[in-house]
Amino acid sequence: GAGVSQSPRYKVAKRGQDVALRCDPISGHVSLFWYQQALGQGPEFLTYFQNEAQLDKSGLPSDRFFAERPEGSVSTLKIQRTQQEDSAVYLCASSPGPLGGYTFGSGTRLTVV
Amino acid sequence: DQQVKQNSPSLSVQEGRISILNCDYTNSMFDYFLWYKKYPAEGPTFLISISSIKDKNEDGRFTVFLNKSAKHLSLHIVPSQPGDSAVYFCAASRMDSNYQLIWGAGTKLIIKP
Repeated sequence: GAGVSQSPRYKVAKRGQDVALRCDPISGHVSLFWYQQALGQGPEFLTYFQNEAQLDKSGLPSDRFFAERPEGSVSTLKIQRTQQEDSAVYLCASSPGPLGGYTFGSGTRLTVV
Repeated sequence: DQQVKQNSPSLSVQEGRISILNCDYTNSMFDYFLWYKKYPAEGPTFLISISSIKDKNEDGRFTVFLNKSAKHLSLHIVPSQPGDSAVYFCAASRMDSNYQLIWGAGTKLIIKP
């Protein structure tokens, strides 16, 4: 597709449930990023992939968060045993290289109840 | 500790006038700065960027100014149009660790007809 596609757009999870968020980057984009955006805040970096290699996962808030990009294209962000503080918009972005104006998807709004 | 600050949560400007959005940063190692625009329920859209070797970058109605000594940058929109109403985010990065963007909390710009 022409842009970065994220699914689902909205997800409501019960506390303790596992969730998986999907990102389809722009075809051919080497770099892929995940960001978390809490209400009223700017996005915060979670993790970065270059092709299938996860070069930085320093922003993942706990070991309940896991991201993968096994074939260097589609990426999945998995959150295990969700908690209320995980409620946020999760944004995925891709770019041809690591620097510069990434293209963002519309995000997945996760609400943990 | 917020490294990138946008101190105005909102700004209201008359259509046709100049909009000036401000951003301050604390980390002197930042050397690349970006502005993003975000509409509700959409991901951020790249607007304009500037590297620290320049003090001004212009693209149509949008100009970004960088004052390194003051650790301050601003986005000027002239003339402001109704479609400019959105949340504007300032983001910063270091080219040597170039992939991670540090974001401000955003400023909501409202253009009045």
